[in-house]
Amino acid sequence: GQNIDQPTEMTATEGAIVQINCTYQTSGFNGLFWYQQHAGEAPTFLSYNVLDGLEEKGRFSSFLSRSKGYSYLLLKELQMKDSASYLCAVILRRSQGNLIFGKGTKLSVKP
Amino acid sequence: EADIYQTPRYLVIGTGKKITLECSQTMGHDKMYWYQQDPGMELHLIHYSYGVNSTEKGDLSSESTVSRIRTEHFPLTLESARPSHTSQYLCASRPGPEGSYEQYFGPGTRLTVT
Repeated sequence: GQNIDQPTEMTATEGAIVQINCTYQTSGFNGLFWYQQHAGEAPTFLSYNVLDGLEEKGRFSSFLSRSKGYSYLLLKELQMKDSASYLCAVILRRSQGNLIFGKGTKLSVKP
Repeated sequence: EADIYQTPRYLVIGTGKKITLECSQTMGHDKMYWYQQDPGMELHLIHYSYGVNSTEKGDLSSESTVSRIRTEHFPLTLESARPSHTSQYLCASRPGPEGSYEQYFGPGTRLTVT
């Protein structure tokens, strides 16, 4: 079976930095996505990693280690609007492009 | 900006009714997907399509059916709704065959079956 693990909940303070981890054990791997999902809304794309290393995009960065089956999403200068669920998702096969999602990490940002 | 639409956004319906959830995208994407998401749980793929007249079942067994007669339209139908079908249904699309793997999501339909 496919297994993608993320912490269920995290809390952080406005202005701080938070790291959300994701570990995966899947039958294939052709890339890892991070999506943001506010309550009751659609997921929105944050990042895509297919090679090892760090991808930086503004306040958000994402890291991938394929040998360790590990990724993290780093959020800097937290804002109240960053309170949301963060979903880790893996593409198993390029030909299909279907995503397998983790359960998501609910981040609460407090003043 | 992705343009993918779902209607209705919210639906409360009685047991045994037939319902169709609509999903349309104006981006000309070949690949479309339906996911089911319960509160606090992961998205589960229930149906996908790689193009017109192509439909496949996803990882999560579902009593729903789908059709893809036009590129832009991917409706999901439940012939006889049951309380166990209460969930959020999300539609997504992406370009194919070798375009970006990013999936663009619609706003979702929150279905409640009483």
